[in-house]
Amino acid sequence: QMQLHESGAGLVGPSQTLSLTCTVSGDSISSGAYYWGWIRQHPGTGLEWIGYAYRTGDTFYNPSLNSRVTILGDTSKNQYSLRLNSVTAADTAVYYCAVKRGVMAAFEYWGLGTLVTVSS
Amino acid sequence: IVLTQSPATLSLSPGERATLSCRASQSVSKFIAWYQQKPGQAPRLLIYEISNRATGVPARFGGSGSGTDFTLTIDSLEPEDSAVYYCQQRASRSPEYTFGQGTKLEIK
Repeated sequence: QMQLHESGAGLVGPSQTLSLTCTVSGDSISSGAYYWGWIRQHPGTGLEWIGYAYRTGDTFYNPSLNSRVTILGDTSKNQYSLRLNSVTAADTAVYYCAVKRGVMAAFEYWGLGTLVTVSS
Repeated sequence: IVLTQSPATLSLSPGERATLSCRASQSVSKFIAWYQQKPGQAPRLLIYEISNRATGVPARFGGSGSGTDFTLTIDSLEPEDSAVYYCQQRASRSPEYTFGQGTKLEIK
């Protein structure tokens, strides 16, 4: 059973860069089966897909965030990361890392989530 | 593609059946999924590809539909089913995912 855990700064200043890491246990992210994703949830509202990456380096991002997002994997540490540039208060949310298997167009494994607040 | 869920809130009693709707703004492929989210927890995958139950999901949970209209049915409701339920789609020729706004299910 794959387990995910998010870590990173919980407070980010406006116009700064949000950086989070997802540490994976229970299986290797370099397995050909997995896509490594990020999803966020603004306070009290629904879910927003941010994007995901594959071990080949292919990445797929939400068009509304595309110019500001980078998802990268570090297979040596069984981790992957999210970077979101030029943040504003609108980026305040709970950020989840979530993994899907290639055969499934749904996210099967989720981290517990981490709240990131954008504020000065 | 926009997903619209209804009703926004559903209040039922234990033992009853819940029927949750998810309507897409245009016809979608088979890539419809449903998630359950309880307060303070991450979403949990229930159903993928319209009607396939994820690992460990009880048979009380079922998915159906096609085209633009999809349904999550929960039989024999239990108090633990109280949660917000989200539908999610991925277009057949696009890697993008979108979620509905959620239906809050309350078990009285």
